[in-house]
Amino acid sequence: ETGVTQSPTHLIKTRGQQVTLRCSSQSGHNTVSWYQQALGQGPQFIFQYYREEENGRGNFPPRFSGLQFPNYSSELNVNALELDDSALYLCASSPPPGTSSNEQYFGPGTRLTVT
Amino acid sequence: SQELEQSPQSLIVQEGKNLTINCTSSKTLYGLYWYKQKYGEGLIFLMMLQKGGEEKSHEKITAKLDEKKQQSSLHITASQPSHAGIYLCGADQNLVGGGAQKLVFGQGTRLTINP
Repeated sequence: ETGVTQSPTHLIKTRGQQVTLRCSSQSGHNTVSWYQQALGQGPQFIFQYYREEENGRGNFPPRFSGLQFPNYSSELNVNALELDDSALYLCASSPPPGTSSNEQYFGPGTRLTVT
Repeated sequence: SQELEQSPQSLIVQEGKNLTINCTSSKTLYGLYWYKQKYGEGLIFLMMLQKGGEEKSHEKITAKLDEKKQQSSLHITASQPSHAGIYLCGADQNLVGGGAQKLVFGQGTRLTINP
């Protein structure tokens, strides 16, 4: 198991509502990336936070937003939920650039269902 | 944008048999990652390849990156039930900015091992 935790594990929301997902990165990691994985597909990059600022964004609309806190934990917020937002949301933390490992450590994910 | 295509999409093999999964990129690969995922769970890092011609092995799993750096293969020798799961290849999109890699993934290969 990695040291990355996510909450909640599962979530059911109604179309139009807003949701906040949380991620605690592994100790010493200052970068958090968020991915969306639809059923039967590979994960898609949403955005990345590095030193509390957004550092790269995938092809997702502005209603997907995030935050990173001084302790490097992160939140993913999705407004005006749509049915297609139903997916497994994964966060991954990474050590500071220049360290020996290039690996991203993934959390167990949050399963979001929008009805 | 970069795209990764995995083949086959699903694979059923008898325990003890060898198997190969391929990952083909639409662009030159700057870093190729292999992950394993159990259904609905987070991703487990297997291996990372960077140099054309590079080959890495861990236990019974070997990954290669071809010389032209646009294709990778994952080979499992003498498969076991513990190898069952979804295998994903991911590539660093080499976007500008610091922080960590922003990965694009293939759609995954679902591997089933029959006793």
